Amino acid sequence: EPEVTQTPSHQVTQMGQEVILRCVPISNHLYFYWYRQILGQKVEFLVSFYNNEISEKSEIFDDQFSVERPDGSNFTLKIRSTKLEDSAMYFCASRGGRGETQYFGPGTRLLVL
Amino acid sequence: GIQVEQSPPDLILQEGANSTLRCNFSDSVNNLQWFHQNPWGQLINLFYIPSGTKQNGRLSATTVATERYSLLYISSSQTTDSGVYFCAVDGDYGNNRLAFGKGNQVVVIP
Repeated sequence: EPEVTQTPSHQVTQMGQEVILRCVPISNHLYFYWYRQILGQKVEFLVSFYNNEISEKSEIFDDQFSVERPDGSNFTLKIRSTKLEDSAMYFCASRGGRGETQYFGPGTRLLVL
Repeated sequence: GIQVEQSPPDLILQEGANSTLRCNFSDSVNNLQWFHQNPWGQLINLFYIPSGTKQNGRLSATTVATERYSLLYISSSQTTDSGVYFCAVDGDYGNNRLAFGKGNQVVVIP
């Protein structure tokens, strides 16, 4: 069964450093998402991406965050200057069409020291 | 935005017992999904169920969209059912982003 993959599975970084989280969505999917989950809390929406542009973003997704689909298969989330509060599990998800199931990747656990 | 409430927040079960988890949502939805978050943090899709009833092995789910709730049933629970169960809904947003509840923490003891 096709699946969403994410790399790395874990990342530790120093505050102020840039990180790039990578995702490979399911190949024929059209809608892409990033979510995050701070330890012990619920999953929160960050951003959605469709037709090579951001279609919606939450208030969490400030100027420190950016997304890109550089080559038609990868979907990346960049955090320019990490803060301690960016420590969380980051999930990528993709969906084929409107109203269909969203499939989630296994997540990247980011720890900012 | 749409609000999602899950109950009970915590549940301890004896192995073999049955349980029901509930998800209430505040507005009409296009989609509702149930996930199981395993101890490694992965979100496992259980059901895509905007309405009606589905069954998958010992798990089943029912969504009554007109009354804005969904139920997840776990029968003959096993220790591997332990974890957090999340309900997530997709309201009438243009891009169908999911709004998650806070989850049901389930512990099954042998």
